[in-house]
Amino acid sequence: DSGVTQTPKHLITATGQRVTLRCSPRSGDLSVYWYQQSLDQGLQFLIQYYNGEERAKGNILERFSAQQFPDLHSELNLSSLELGDSALYFCASSVVGSGYGEQFFGPGTRLTVL
Amino acid sequence: AQSVAQPEDQVNVAEGNPLTVKCTYSVSGNPYLFWYVQYPNRGLQFLLKYITGDNLVKGSYGFEAEFNKSQTSFHLKKPSALVSDSALYFCAVRDAGAGANNLFFGTGTRLTVIP
Repeated sequence: DSGVTQTPKHLITATGQRVTLRCSPRSGDLSVYWYQQSLDQGLQFLIQYYNGEERAKGNILERFSAQQFPDLHSELNLSSLELGDSALYFCASSVVGSGYGEQFFGPGTRLTVL
Repeated sequence: AQSVAQPEDQVNVAEGNPLTVKCTYSVSGNPYLFWYVQYPNRGLQFLLKYITGDNLVKGSYGFEAEFNKSQTSFHLKKPSALVSDSALYFCAVRDAGAGANNLFFGTGTRLTVIP
């Protein structure tokens, strides 16, 4: 158990809908990262927050947004969902905002868009 | 640009034999290198990392990796494979000098240890 929690574990929804994925980092970790894992794209970095502020952006679509709250939990919002958004979404956390600290991954949220 | 290549989608090895999972990387500066393992229906678990110092890095579950700067490689190794090592392995890299500090992952190598 990495100490990173994600809810829900599974999410099934329809095209055009909006969903929110939630992540609680390990105790003491200030950085939260979101990744998308799909069969055709592999593991892709979406966005990073450090202590409430956006730190880095990757291949995140404009339909997607995220935030980190004062208690350090983070939410990833996915809107106008398309079939291609079906994937595993992972949250990871690390102590520091720099890249030399290992990231600890949550169990993921499996999103299925029908 | 930062990138990682895992040239083998699949590696099969007999139980008790040594295993190697290959990884090569590309960064413009100095690399931070990581190995993660993913078991079915689970998140990625950290195995080991290279930041600086000794080129041979020891990690969890008896795994080790050797950083080779001239060959830009960071192969994962284990002297004696276990059936329980069967999983999906990911190599990841970050350029130490880059402003952003997210990891770039390889496409993964599925390791199967045959009893």
